[in-house]
Amino acid sequence: SAVISQKPSRDICQRGTSLTIQCQVDSQVTMMFWYRQQPGQSLTLIATANQGSEATYESGFVIDKFPISRPNLTFSTLTVSNMSPEDSSIYLCSPGFGNQPQHFGDGTRLSIL
Amino acid sequence: AQRVTQPEKLLSVFKGAPVELKCNYSYSGSPELFWYVQYSRQRLQLLLRHISRESIKGFTADLNKGETSFHLKKPFAQEEDSAMYYCANGGSQGNLIFGKGTKLSVKP
Repeated sequence: SAVISQKPSRDICQRGTSLTIQCQVDSQVTMMFWYRQQPGQSLTLIATANQGSEATYESGFVIDKFPISRPNLTFSTLTVSNMSPEDSSIYLCSPGFGNQPQHFGDGTRLSIL
Repeated sequence: AQRVTQPEKLLSVFKGAPVELKCNYSYSGSPELFWYVQYSRQRLQLLLRHISRESIKGFTADLNKGETSFHLKKPFAQEEDSAMYYCANGGSQGNLIFGKGTKLSVKP
């Protein structure tokens, strides 16, 4: 499976600020999925990022709040904008390899005060 | 919209007892089902996928299209099996749709 690296691994932020999470994968992938895991909850898909096109957002998630970049086939960023305590979650990227099962890294653990 | 249902939030069994974690899915096409496990303070790991039809750590799962189920089973639970278990179905974009998860607690 691919090696997935996310930075930062964790952060504590003030409400109203923004944080950009970086995701690096050790092989080229067409699709990158961004998920959120709120405390004690399951994973929910935020958006799907393809290289060279705008990300596709799931219901309940908007580009202004979670802008995504996908500059190349091994890298993506997710920004959590204007953070509030409700955004405290683990954010995970996962590369999509077509028919291969998805794997996950440790994610970014975000706490908003 | 696709849904994955795990009816039990918590399942508690004694060591050596059989375990069955339930999962039902809703999808009109060909399902692509997975079980993921998350041990305490560890990353989410793939446990099984239905097309592999394999047994990992003694766990098996059979796809039942008639009942739209993909229950996870193990004949004899071990304490180290204690973890969160998530059932997931492949979405239309290649993403995963997760159930809410079942916490398995295996008591000594």
